[in-house]
Amino acid sequence: DAGVIQSPRHEVTEMGQEVTLRCKPISGHNSLFWYRQTMMRGLELLIYFNNNVPIDDSGMPEDRFSAKMPNASFSTLKIQPSEPRDSAVYFCASSFSNYGYTFGSGTRLTVV
Amino acid sequence: GQQVMQIPQYQHVQEGEDFTTYCNSSTTLSNIQWYKQRPGGHPVFLIQLVKSGEVKKQKRLTFQFGEAKKNSSLHITATQTTDVGTYFCAGVGGIQGAQKLVFGQGTRLTINP
Repeated sequence: DAGVIQSPRHEVTEMGQEVTLRCKPISGHNSLFWYRQTMMRGLELLIYFNNNVPIDDSGMPEDRFSAKMPNASFSTLKIQPSEPRDSAVYFCASSFSNYGYTFGSGTRLTVV
Repeated sequence: GQQVMQIPQYQHVQEGEDFTTYCNSSTTLSNIQWYKQRPGGHPVFLIQLVKSGEVKKQKRLTFQFGEAKKNSSLHITATQTTDVGTYFCAGVGGIQGAQKLVFGQGTRLTINP
């Protein structure tokens, strides 16, 4: 198994641009999570899906953030418009019934 | 909401010394998980504890879950340079069907060889 696959690995964009982060979870996992990691705030849960349905999006910072999971093998996190304070590492993770999350390698986002 | 506090935030030890990190939750947890993140890497799952008072060992690592299921600890015996990284505890709580993992702030371990 290739694990959780995220793309791109690095993204540098200008303020105001739209950014889309992508995630392919492990086949058979029924839960998918988007986390953001910064030095100041640590690992923050943004949103999670169970069986492709969004369960809790209370961690999504603003309306500029949106996430979708159109099928069991793909999810996106979109930021529109992006701002410098969105700069962080964004992790996608998947699990089966909340046991042992498998994290992707992350997307390092820099908004200038 | 659910909060998971972890101490210390940083720990620097000499190689061969022991290391312990502690985790406390504001609410009772259904289970607790531990992760390790190497510098520049992503969190990697180490172990899950479910039962009250549970103790599990992985070579030099010992994990404990408190009797009240609100605290946990990770102890590393005789640290090695390969142990360098940030150790996170993460608690699972919430109502059935909407449970989520909430991470502590992590303990960053550095080691002097």
